[in-house]
Amino acid sequence: DGGITQSPKYLFRKEGQNVTLSCEQNLNHDAMYWYRQDPGQGLRLIYYSQIVNDFQKGDIAEGYSVSREKKESFPLTVTSAQKNPTAFYLCAIRDSLNTEAFFGQGTRLTVV
Amino acid sequence: QKEVEQNSGPLSVPEGAIASLNCTYSDRVSQSFFWYRQYSGKSPELIMSIYSNGDKEDGRFTAQLNKASQYVSLLIRDSQPSDSATYLCAVTIGSARQLTFGSGTQLTVLP
Repeated sequence: DGGITQSPKYLFRKEGQNVTLSCEQNLNHDAMYWYRQDPGQGLRLIYYSQIVNDFQKGDIAEGYSVSREKKESFPLTVTSAQKNPTAFYLCAIRDSLNTEAFFGQGTRLTVV
Repeated sequence: QKEVEQNSGPLSVPEGAIASLNCTYSDRVSQSFFWYRQYSGKSPELIMSIYSNGDKEDGRFTAQLNKASQYVSLLIRDSQPSDSATYLCAVTIGSARQLTFGSGTQLTVLP
């Protein structure tokens, strides 16, 4: 089954805990992105990567970290430094800089 | 000024009517423009892309682009209750051509 897969669908984090969200793709796209969406809001860019072993900060990178060790994988870690992590997290892939993005199903993170 | 702006709505139209959604953007050299539909609790799905000035039609959807006015719109003809969703405008911004999203317009089609 081709496409982009995010896991888990729901995630609960305790105060002071780091959690990692998974994003995997098998479409061989170079560019991968992480967005955050808060209720009633649009998507805000956290991090992006256009090539293996390289990634760039987006508009709201503080409190988050990423890695891109393999082309097909771009995990996002929400660290304890992120004070308000409750949100809907979306991973996206693009084939090139002028094309559309395709999204995974999203991970809904809640702080408990 | 936000890089991509949409009327937040909510917008309500009766079934069968035309829904008109608008978006403006700040980067004069933006090249790619997209409309996504997002149902509540789901991820966005692409419904239209447009790259050159003018109209582009796909079924009941028409995207309109005016680069001189930095304006892109989406028309939904014969609106159906299943079209009720949030519509997100996305534009490639800057030299890195990041895909930047507006805050979305919530559309409700009334039966």
